[in-house]
Amino acid sequence: SQQGEEDPQALSIQEGENATMNCSYKTSINNLQWYRQNSGRGLVHLILIRSNEREKHSGRLRVTLDTSKKSSSLLITASRAADTASYFCATDDQGGKLIFGQGTELSVKP
Amino acid sequence: EAGVAQSPRYKIIEKRQSVAFWCNPISGHATLYWYQQILGQGPKLLIQFQNNGVVDDSQLPKDRFSAERLKGVDSTLKIQPAKLEDSAVYLCASSLNIAGAGDTQYFGPGTRLTVL
Repeated sequence: SQQGEEDPQALSIQEGENATMNCSYKTSINNLQWYRQNSGRGLVHLILIRSNEREKHSGRLRVTLDTSKKSSSLLITASRAADTASYFCATDDQGGKLIFGQGTELSVKP
Repeated sequence: EAGVAQSPRYKIIEKRQSVAFWCNPISGHATLYWYQQILGQGPKLLIQFQNNGVVDDSQLPKDRFSAERLKGVDSTLKIQPAKLEDSAVYLCASSLNIAGAGDTQYFGPGTRLTVL
């Protein structure tokens, strides 16, 4: 069963704008990870945030985690056409098993 | 560092036929995962190995799917017989440490299976 649910399912923005994707989950987690998947390719790990962290940055990426609301957000600043991809959140239970959401399809137009 | 290798990249078979996928994880990675990703959905874990032992196969349809990890390195996933609903991308991933450490999982390019 899917643990995470991403919102929105699809997002279309212009290059240079910021993109925000949200993820909600149901059960307690060890950590939450965000992955990117380009068309026809495997997933690439973007960032991991642990359950005791509230915010994390990596380049143009900013991830927040609110364990009280069981939600996370991924912000991509100053988006580029190359950021066009599907973005998935994945929650990690104590056993290291990743449960992925349905994904947000991001389209960045030049 | 070489990534996770998978083959074949594409496979088309008729229903009721058999098919096998191969995965070579990153050297030294203890944990190997097989995921099924149906179009428009996120990946779903089928089976997780730690070295050559199975950690979790709760979502593997064992009546038709089987997997093994010989000598704790390469792995094969087999479907016999295939059904139409098995059409999906099969992703292999590996991580350095044992399950539960929260390590990054590195994914291969996947095998796109079409069952006609």
